[in-house]
Amino acid sequence: DAKTTQPTSMDCAEGRAANLPCNHSTISGNEYVYWYRQIHSQGPQYIIHGLKNNETNEMASLIITEDRKSSTLILPHATLRDTAVYYCIVRDNTDKLIFGTGTRLQVFP
Amino acid sequence: NAGVTQTPKFQVLKTGQSMTLQCAQDMNHEYMSWYRQDPGMGLRLIHYSVGAGITDQGEVPNGYNVSRSTTEDFPLRLLSAAPSQTSVYFCASRDPGQAYEQYFGPGTRLTVT
Repeated sequence: DAKTTQPTSMDCAEGRAANLPCNHSTISGNEYVYWYRQIHSQGPQYIIHGLKNNETNEMASLIITEDRKSSTLILPHATLRDTAVYYCIVRDNTDKLIFGTGTRLQVFP
Repeated sequence: NAGVTQTPKFQVLKTGQSMTLQCAQDMNHEYMSWYRQDPGMGLRLIHYSVGAGITDQGEVPNGYNVSRSTTEDFPLRLLSAAPSQTSVYFCASRDPGQAYEQYFGPGTRLTVT
């Protein structure tokens, strides 16, 4: 079973920041938080990951709370092409990615 | 690099037929996986492999077989298709040196009637 809970759907205006929350209250000390997204009918795409420090790359920022029980993915300036299902995944150092049902983000003009 | 490729893109089978979904990657990745995705749901892990000659079961392995004779290829076999196997199938691979990122193929949409 997925070890994360996310809202089913969210809306965001184009050009605004999209903040996608994720709860992972049972996360273990060596487990990373990963974010992937899936644009309609395509294979999932890696976005970002982190262990305990906040992370930023060209796509997004990841904010992890100090107790590591939750995190937020931030798309700083959402565009229509960011409309997708976003998956928050907790995994250890194995090859298994256990996907939940994700958050469907709709960016509107 | 072509990345991860899957064939066919679409397939319709009758109940009881067998077939093999093909997956290949040209990135020399050791790890490869198969997922299925049903409507409105996330991906579920079927089988995975950590290298040639090594395979293991994921969350939903029943009804599927895999083998890994080369690093490049990881076929998924349905021995006797059932309507419950109607789904979209994704293959993925990753480099063990970059544990965080999996590369996914474009998917195979399978319908079993």
